[in-house]
Amino acid sequence: GAVVSQHPSWVICKSGTSVKIECRSLDFQATTMFWYRQFPKQSLMLMATSNEGSKATYEQGVEKDKFLINHASLTLSTLTVTSAHPEDSSFYICSAGLAGEAKNIQYFGAGTRLSVL
Amino acid sequence: AQSVTQLGSHVSVSEGALVLLRCNYSSSVPPYLFWYVQYPNQGLQLLLKYTTGATLVKGINGFEAEFKKSETSFHLTKPSAHMSDAAEYFCAVSGPGTGNQFYFGTGTSLTVIP
Repeated sequence: GAVVSQHPSWVICKSGTSVKIECRSLDFQATTMFWYRQFPKQSLMLMATSNEGSKATYEQGVEKDKFLINHASLTLSTLTVTSAHPEDSSFYICSAGLAGEAKNIQYFGAGTRLSVL
Repeated sequence: AQSVTQLGSHVSVSEGALVLLRCNYSSSVPPYLFWYVQYPNQGLQLLLKYTTGATLVKGINGFEAEFKKSETSFHLTKPSAHMSDAAEYFCAVSGPGTGNQFYFGTGTSLTVIP
């Protein structure tokens, strides 16, 4: 149980285009999902907390107009990187917490590697 | 404030030897503690977690960790390393005092030498 699916696993795009990444909880409902960014050989940096039916909460320094988050249902959150540039190239990982169980336990997707040319 | 320190960004062990990955945390309240493993180009897989109860926690793949409050530590161990254990390992802390946010350590890269 508690499987989180992330799609796509790898995307290459041209500079200036937008890219959407999906995060789905397959066998549970997630009222809260999290989006992280990971640079090579570094740890995960929390970008934002996505709450179903409300606006996402962004961490300091993360541009909310650049990284659009939508959490339209209890099983799906999307991250859209708008007008992507090479510096946005990174590994993006989402996670979801189980409602009811300690909210502090998160289950992670497999990640999306974004390469902006 | 919460923080996690993983001593040793790189650890190398021989196949069959003991694996010890260190994690210390700072937390103003009793924390929830986690170890995750990450293989190249993959997401994080939960190895084990401590929330309450028994301080010695057993996880998958033969790993275990012990919560030592007096030492503010949650070190990860495995009696005998296997080649397939080579990966990046992250310690994380969460809990009532963190606003449900996870704080990750900087990671430890484990190399297993044949």
